[in-house]
Amino acid sequence: KQEVTQIPAALSVPEGENLVLNCSFTDSAIYNLQWFRQDPGKGLTSLLLIQSSQREQTSGRLNASLDKSSGRSTLYIAASQPGDSATYLCAVSGFFTGGGNKLTFGTGTQLKVEL
Amino acid sequence: DTEVTQTPKHLVMGMTNKKSLKCEQHMGHRAMYWYKQKAKKPPELMFVYSYEKLSINESVPSRFSPECPNSSLLNLHLHALQPEDSALYLCASSQKQGSLNTEAFFGQGTRLTVV
Repeated sequence: KQEVTQIPAALSVPEGENLVLNCSFTDSAIYNLQWFRQDPGKGLTSLLLIQSSQREQTSGRLNASLDKSSGRSTLYIAASQPGDSATYLCAVSGFFTGGGNKLTFGTGTQLKVEL
Repeated sequence: DTEVTQTPKHLVMGMTNKKSLKCEQHMGHRAMYWYKQKAKKPPELMFVYSYEKLSINESVPSRFSPECPNSSLLNLHLHALQPEDSALYLCASSQKQGSLNTEAFFGQGTRLTVV
């Protein structure tokens, strides 16, 4: 059974700091890994998708890396802003018979960026 | 348009009520999902529909009954729920089943309270 863990569980940083969020998974047989952002009481916003054959994806101030063999991904946020405050979730997409993608989510990192 | 629309946003229901949650997407996605999220926890998969057929039921109690009337719509029918079923219910969709570049898009969720 796939298990996904995120470290740290919570993080508070001053504005402007660069930061790294970590995600680890136990089963390397994945299609892809997706990073999401969730604001309190809201749905999930997709940030980045990394295919299992890729090592890195970038979008604006966000950069995500994937090391499938070691079961690790990192999300790098440059020049953090108060608007980045949210919970960040990683999710791995696994193989299974039938149809659709089965996402297994990590435990999340709650980020607070202070002025 | 990468929008998944869920209605209603909030729902309060008694344990003897019957209600339905609705989800709609117009991205041409052929896989749709229901997830349940309790407070401070990651989303947990409930059901997956692929090409309007149920492909995954994660041992969800029968008081939750999914329906996929067409490729754009997904419903979740609720009956005789318990207070512990109170949660944020998230709908998601993705383009293809089991491919490397399949990105999942989530709605804003329905906040369900069972009294």
